[in-house]
Order: sequence, then structure tokens, then C-alpha cells
Amino acid sequence: QKEVEQDPGPLSVPEGAIVSLNCTYSNSAFQYFMWYRQYSRKGPELLMYTYSSGNKEDGRFTAQVDKSSKYISLFIRDSQPSDSATYLCAMSPGGYNKLIFGAGTRLAVHP
Amino acid sequence: EPEVTQTPSHQVTQMGQEVILRCVPISNHLYFYWYRQILGQKVEFLVSFYNNEISEKSEIFDDQFSVERPDGSNFTLKIRSTKLEDSAMYFCASSEAVGSYGYTFGSGTRLTVV
Repeated sequence: QKEVEQDPGPLSVPEGAIVSLNCTYSNSAFQYFMWYRQYSRKGPELLMYTYSSGNKEDGRFTAQVDKSSKYISLFIRDSQPSDSATYLCAMSPGGYNKLIFGAGTRLAVHP
Repeated sequence: EPEVTQTPSHQVTQMGQEVILRCVPISNHLYFYWYRQILGQKVEFLVSFYNNEISEKSEIFDDQFSVERPDGSNFTLKIRSTKLEDSAMYFCASSEAVGSYGYTFGSGTRLTVV
């Protein structure tokens, strides 16, 4: 079983739709959970980070962590064409340095 | 907004040659990292660096790789004898603290080994 699993998509939605992106993981030691956005040939850009379980909201973005199910989600409300990118989940045990990334989900928002 | 700067943006090198990838992390950050992403694959951890020494490294980071912080601002990744499979995007990142605040990544250096 892979440590972090993420459906690579692609996911195509109309402008204004609610987008749901998800990752599952197997390592129960993960404590820190992040979502990054990556445009083509660019570095990952941090969108959201959460510690342990719960929800976090920032503008149109909501991150959810369910540690009991080892499942994290990112919701994007009122999606815009500028949201078209690859979304990477990443997680860390905390106290360790490295992030473990998912494969990334490619999202296309069409006008 | 503070950013991590990487140079060059693209480097082409011949197999067996040495390359040095350069990074200027955010000035008040204490932890520095190198990650790489082979085309179409996941972002993979290579090495982390704190207090002028390596704090963790992956299996990928073998004897061909080294990192250095030669002065107060630069952070470099050296590949001694490049192989075709080293072709990838290499990302430098920095953070204020371990894990908890996410990392700021640079735009990457695309390394092509021919």
C-alpha cells in the first residue's frame, strides 16, 4: 500500500462549481497535513495546512482532516478558471523534516 | 511576499559532469530542503538541512549528492557525476520550523542530463 494515495484525475468542472479533492494515507504517525497548488513547471505553492484532525477555512478553500479514516480533503467553492492547476496533498509526522506528497490531482475549471 | 529564489531555471549538462544548483532561502528561515520531481511523478524528498548540517536524507541522496550553505544566504545542491536518471525538476524549500507551518518552495531548476 502506498503511503499517500491521490487520484491524479484529470478533473474538469465548470466555473462556479464546488470542487472536492481527496487523499488517503496509511501512516498513522502523520500529524501535519498540507495542500499545495502547482502550476505547470512551477514550484508547489502552499494553500492550506492543518494540524491533526478538524477543519480549516481560508476564503474559498476548506481543508478537512479525518485521522480516524486517514482521509483528507480540500474543497474549493466558486471555482475559477485561475484555479486550474495540479493540487498536491502532503503530510508529515511532525518532528521529522520530510513531507510525503501525493501524486497530485490535475484540475481544469472551464468558463 | 518573501520568496525562495533558485538559479538557474534550466540547466543542461552532459552525463558524468558535475552540477551545482543554487538557492537563496527566505532570510529568517532556519530549515532548508531539496526535493525533486521527475516528469510525471511525485515530488520526492531528498535532504533537509539545519544548523549547518544534514538532519535527514532519503535513499535517493547517495554519495553523488551533497549540500552546502557556503555563506549566510545561499544553499546549494551538488551532483558530482550526473546520470540520465537525475533529469528532473529540483526544488529548494525553506521553513521557519519543522513541519508545522508548511514550506515555501522555489520555482525550481529543471535539470536535463544528456
